[in-house]
Amino acid sequence: GDSVTQMEGPVTLSEEAFLTINCTYTATGYPSLFWYVQYPGEGLQLLLKATKADDKGSNKGFEATYRKETTSFHLEKGSVQVSDSAVYFCALPNFGNEKLTFGTGTRLTIIP
Amino acid sequence: DTGVSQNPRHKITKRGQNVTFRCDPISEHNRLYWYRQTLGQGPEFLTYFQNEAQLEKSRLLSDRFSAERPKGSFSTLEIQRTEQGDSAMYLCASWGLAETQYFGPGTRLLVL
Repeated sequence: GDSVTQMEGPVTLSEEAFLTINCTYTATGYPSLFWYVQYPGEGLQLLLKATKADDKGSNKGFEATYRKETTSFHLEKGSVQVSDSAVYFCALPNFGNEKLTFGTGTRLTIIP
Repeated sequence: DTGVSQNPRHKITKRGQNVTFRCDPISEHNRLYWYRQTLGQGPEFLTYFQNEAQLEKSRLLSDRFSAERPKGSFSTLEIQRTEQGDSAMYLCASWGLAETQYFGPGTRLLVL
């Protein structure tokens, strides 16, 4: 079945540091890929998505490129801020019913 | 605010009691999903509806769980005879033509 393997956390960075959170997947076909973010005490918010190979999703300074050859969708940001502290989830939808399979999440803490 | 609302936001109950949660999706979205998220984990799929029809249920959804979407709008998730292992965040998501799931803020359940 479909699966998502996500870089284990927690990750602690200083403000303005470069961020990478790794995500690799196993799936039938070429599904869309998503990054969701969860701030403390809240539900999930869609951060960005890519719908086909070589697409780059971007939002709020975050980027991720759909790499078919390495089955990866790594999340990057050039200069993180304290407000980026949250848990980040990589996810992919099941073909047909679109139910999402999530990674275990990576907790990111940014210190000033 | 994603446009998906859930009530209540928090629920504390005693073991053996019944609880019911409500989800109001984005009005034009025909699919509605329920997920469960335990501490430190990614959300796990429970069930989903296409309009009023419940099309799939996860093995996680024991006989004590029942979900409805009577008019294809809001949905309820009921847990009967709650157990301590039911303590989790219950998330609802709606899905429409944008082929993206939008999540509500969740209902955090604590079973004492």
